[in-house]
Amino acid sequence: QQPVQSPQAVILREGEDAVINCSSSKALYSVHWYRQKHGEAPVFLMILLKGGEQKGHEKISASFNEKKQQSSLYLTASQLSYSGTYFCGTTTDSWGKLQFGAGTQVVVTP
Amino acid sequence: GAVVSQHPSWVICKSGTSVKIECRSLDFQATTMFWYRQFPKQSLMLMATSNEGSKATYEQGVEKDKFLINHASLTLSTLTVTSAHPEDSSFYICSQRGLAGWDRETQYFGPGTRLLVL
Repeated sequence: QQPVQSPQAVILREGEDAVINCSSSKALYSVHWYRQKHGEAPVFLMILLKGGEQKGHEKISASFNEKKQQSSLYLTASQLSYSGTYFCGTTTDSWGKLQFGAGTQVVVTP
Repeated sequence: GAVVSQHPSWVICKSGTSVKIECRSLDFQATTMFWYRQFPKQSLMLMATSNEGSKATYEQGVEKDKFLINHASLTLSTLTVTSAHPEDSSFYICSQRGLAGWDRETQYFGPGTRLLVL
């Protein structure tokens, strides 16, 4: 079953912050975050394994609440390069199949 | 991480023809690769899991006779769209897992192949 992402889209000014959420009705083993720019393939940002770890990538960080089966991606002090569609992917077991959410389109304006 | 290449990046073909897409692992051998399809403004949908030396595992609703997958070597998986029709026009992306540790849980995508069937 596909995880649910929210919001569908967000428009930011450079320097502003945003949060993207990903939730599942199933018990999750891992949450993966990818960013896809128009016309390109998705690029891996980070993975969170069950255990509530928080990871970071530049000014992008994420958390995973395994009790609630939710993950959040935090875009801090956004840059123009952060524009794109962000997808969360989830697995329910180790080496499991990735189920992707519908994506969140992020537009960062000058 | 893992470095994956795909060829071709773009293909335009006439309805009824077959198209072969190659997916190569450039930095290490991959016994398993994944094929995804993405329609415009939609998410990625797993089509099949390609296993070196054995038959691919197809997801429900994916026609195995239409989308032929061959994983003949540890660095190459191919997807052939047979008798392509306009509704097969899509962005086809392959991926493979990382090499070790938690990286094995991660999938790294190739650059994708955009197929347009006229």
